[in-house]
Amino acid sequence: EAQVTQNPRYLITVTGKKLTVTCSQNMNHEYMSWYRQDPGLGLRQIYYSMNVEVTDKGDVPEGYKVSRKEKRNFPLILESPSPNQTSLYFCASSRGDRGHTEAFFGQGTRLTVV
Amino acid sequence: AQSVTQLDSQVPVFEEAPVELRCNYSSSVSVYLFWYVQYPNQGLQLLLKYLSGSTLVKGINGFEAEFNKSQTSFHLRKPSVHISDTAEYFCAVTRGSGYSTLTFGKGTMLLVSP
Repeated sequence: EAQVTQNPRYLITVTGKKLTVTCSQNMNHEYMSWYRQDPGLGLRQIYYSMNVEVTDKGDVPEGYKVSRKEKRNFPLILESPSPNQTSLYFCASSRGDRGHTEAFFGQGTRLTVV
Repeated sequence: AQSVTQLDSQVPVFEEAPVELRCNYSSSVSVYLFWYVQYPNQGLQLLLKYLSGSTLVKGINGFEAEFNKSQTSFHLRKPSVHISDTAEYFCAVTRGSGYSTLTFGKGTMLLVSP
């Protein structure tokens, strides 16, 4: 089954404690991205990757890092989480040809930073 | 750069009534347009997409949308809604050629009551 898998689904952490949210896709997609969803703001892109070792900032990259060492994986790293990073996070992947077509989303990771 | 405006944050409707969720976009180049649905505690699922061709596109669960280039709109419609259609709906746009990120609107919550 084609899918994007995020882990964990729920995470509560304390300010400043480094964390990683994993994302893996099994569709051999070139393009992957991370979004955060906040009430009234919709989805905002954090980082994206067009292929292995190619990443770039989205609209709200501050406080986040990513890496793309393998095509299937695109982890999101919060080096020093702060309460304003409490949010619902989604990973997505899509094919890279002909621009950006259908994006497949993971189930989301609800992060609370206290 | 492109942008998306969803004109209603919430749309209450009675079961079996018709519904229209409005979406307007802004872009200086050709675009691809999408509607995604998010059920409670789930990720985003593609409802339908417009890439080219017929301006009336049909999606899953009886939804359809019409691309109107002159009015830069891509409104979503369903002739008769069900309780199970209660969800948040997101309109999204990306550039129709080359690489481009996916830009989302802020979402419209469809509330279907008996």
